[in-house]
Amino acid sequence: RKEVEQDPGPFNVPEGATVAFNCTYSNSASQSFFWYRQDCRKEPKLLMSVYSSGNEDGRFTAQLNRASQYISLLIRDSKLSDSATYLCVVNWVGYALNFGKGTSLLVTP
Amino acid sequence: EAQVTQNPRYLITVTGKKLTVTCSQNMNHEYMSWYRQDPGLGLRQIYYSMNVEVTDKGDVPEGYKVSRKEKRNFPLILESPSPNQTSLYFCASSLGLAPHEQYFGPGTRLTVT
Repeated sequence: RKEVEQDPGPFNVPEGATVAFNCTYSNSASQSFFWYRQDCRKEPKLLMSVYSSGNEDGRFTAQLNRASQYISLLIRDSKLSDSATYLCVVNWVGYALNFGKGTSLLVTP
Repeated sequence: EAQVTQNPRYLITVTGKKLTVTCSQNMNHEYMSWYRQDPGLGLRQIYYSMNVEVTDKGDVPEGYKVSRKEKRNFPLILESPSPNQTSLYFCASSLGLAPHEQYFGPGTRLTVT
């Protein structure tokens, strides 16, 4: 079975800290990569797509390492509102998305 | 407002009583999908549809049926629910041809006793 693996955490960090999550995937033929955010008992929402060259959106930076088959998410200057579960998502065939189990982040005052 | 809606949001039912969870999107998306989310297991895909009358199994299709008679609607049918189908269910849609951003509905919390 093809897998998407994440450290479940929780990651407890103070406001203003920098935190990084990694995610590994097992299928080298994977084509598309995403980070989704899910707040407690709410629906997942796209945080950002992950491109081969790496990409940044404000305080968030995503990186892809195809050789080692992992993607990462870096959050700088953490805010209380960043507290959520971050889902690593990989597509390797057709339209289906494969979700990791998520990494829980708690940002404390 | 662009959105995916699901109904009902909460449902408690008994084993064996057929139920349908509706899903509708107003974004003219080709691709729609159903997921279930369970503690420790994450989101798992049940069924998906790439367009009207085109559906296919995801990772955990047993005990579920779907139909796609109209582009905007993608109901999930449990013909004979069992307690192991107690879960949080999400419907999602996206613009087709590639795994673009998926927009999720608010979720349906189902309890089967």
